Amino acid sequence: NAGVTQTPKFQVLKTGQSMTLQCAQDMNHNSMYWYRQDPGMGLRLIYYSASEGTTDKGEVPNGYNVSRLNKREFSLRLESAAPSQTSVYFCASIPHGNQPQHFGDGTRLSIL
Amino acid sequence: AQSVSQHNHHVILSEAASLELGCNYSYGGTVNLFWYVQYPGQHLQLLLKYFSGDPLVKGIKGFEAEFIKSKFSFNLRKPSVQWSDTAEYFCAVNGGSQGNLIFGKGTKLSVKP
Repeated sequence: NAGVTQTPKFQVLKTGQSMTLQCAQDMNHNSMYWYRQDPGMGLRLIYYSASEGTTDKGEVPNGYNVSRLNKREFSLRLESAAPSQTSVYFCASIPHGNQPQHFGDGTRLSIL
Repeated sequence: AQSVSQHNHHVILSEAASLELGCNYSYGGTVNLFWYVQYPGQHLQLLLKYFSGDPLVKGIKGFEAEFIKSKFSFNLRKPSVQWSDTAEYFCAVNGGSQGNLIFGKGTKLSVKP
């Protein structure tokens, strides 16, 4: 089924470990996004990439880095994981402009 | 800065009851408005959207929303809820050109059978 694919679906890390969350879309969308979802906080934008080759900070970028590897793939890296980064991470994409976002199934990340 | 407020954190209804979830936003310019639904353990799915035109928009599964510009509101409604509507509902606004969404904190809806 076409759409946004995130890997892994679940991960447990120890404090200080590093990890890269992968996201790929096969809809030829230009823009891609990384959000984190925490109880009672809704979704908050971490980073986004308006087009291939560009990335920008969102609302909560501290502790994260991103790479827009090509048009399909947008990865999120935690260099030194902290318990405060325990969350569910969602990747999303849109073709252009203000179209509705298509979301992946999420990555549930726990940091001990 | 844009912001979105959802008035209710948790709403509990019986089947067949009517639903209205409040959403207010703050942004001075032209906005695009969205309601997303997240069923337990799943990703967000688009329920409906408003870009322009008729302020009463109809979405999937019998949901509708009304954009009232003067009140900066975009409330979600459904005349008769079902147990399968149990989910979390998010209002979101986009007032820029980058496609970035600002989400409300969500409203959990629990429907009793």
